[in-house]
Amino acid sequence: DGGITQSPKYLFRKEGQNVTLSCEQNLNHDAMYWYRQDPGQGLRLIYYSQIVNDFQKGDIAEGYSVSREKKESFPLTVTSAQKNPTAFYLCASSGRHYPGAYNSPLHFGNGTRLTVT
Amino acid sequence: AQKVTQAQTEISVVEKEDVTLDCVYETRDTTYYLFWYKQPPSGELVFLIRRNSFDEQNEISGRYSWNFQKSTSSFNFTITASQVVDSAVYFCALSEAMAIQGAQKLVFGQGTRLTINP
Repeated sequence: DGGITQSPKYLFRKEGQNVTLSCEQNLNHDAMYWYRQDPGQGLRLIYYSQIVNDFQKGDIAEGYSVSREKKESFPLTVTSAQKNPTAFYLCASSGRHYPGAYNSPLHFGNGTRLTVT
Repeated sequence: AQKVTQAQTEISVVEKEDVTLDCVYETRDTTYYLFWYKQPPSGELVFLIRRNSFDEQNEISGRYSWNFQKSTSSFNFTITASQVVDSAVYFCALSEAMAIQGAQKLVFGQGTRLTINP
């Protein structure tokens, strides 16, 4: 079955260390996204990618980096510059978006819960 | 700027009761999409419905129904005869219809945690 796989489910790191969260999709979707979820704040967009080798900053990109070398993969690195990295991270994908058209909704992975101490 | 407000942080009802989750949005766009997603304890967000701004017809899907009112900028979600399996966090979201080509940028509300007690 097609879907989005995020790994690991739980991740623990020491403060000051960079950490990379994995996101793989086999839905043949062009666009991929990373959201951060904090209690009481909903989901906020970190980065998104419309196509391979292209990505754009979302609303809270500071302290994060991404790459999009393959269509299926969109890893997120949480760097030591991120002030409050402990959160639940969700990856999503969607078919290519055409303004004004009927586009497929975002599909989400199961998330990675990152704890930094 | 776009904004979505879900004023109800938590709701708790007894099974078989009806429950309505409120969603109020702000946008300057005349064309936009509204969404509801469900987040069960497993963590992933499950797509429930999308509505575009030109379609104000209410929608019903089994025990779920949605009331879209542009006059009050609201897109409320009602579960009829609630069941324990409906317990989850529910998110309302908004996106521009005429966004950049290639990706959809969703703005989410804070979420409402719904607990259905047996």
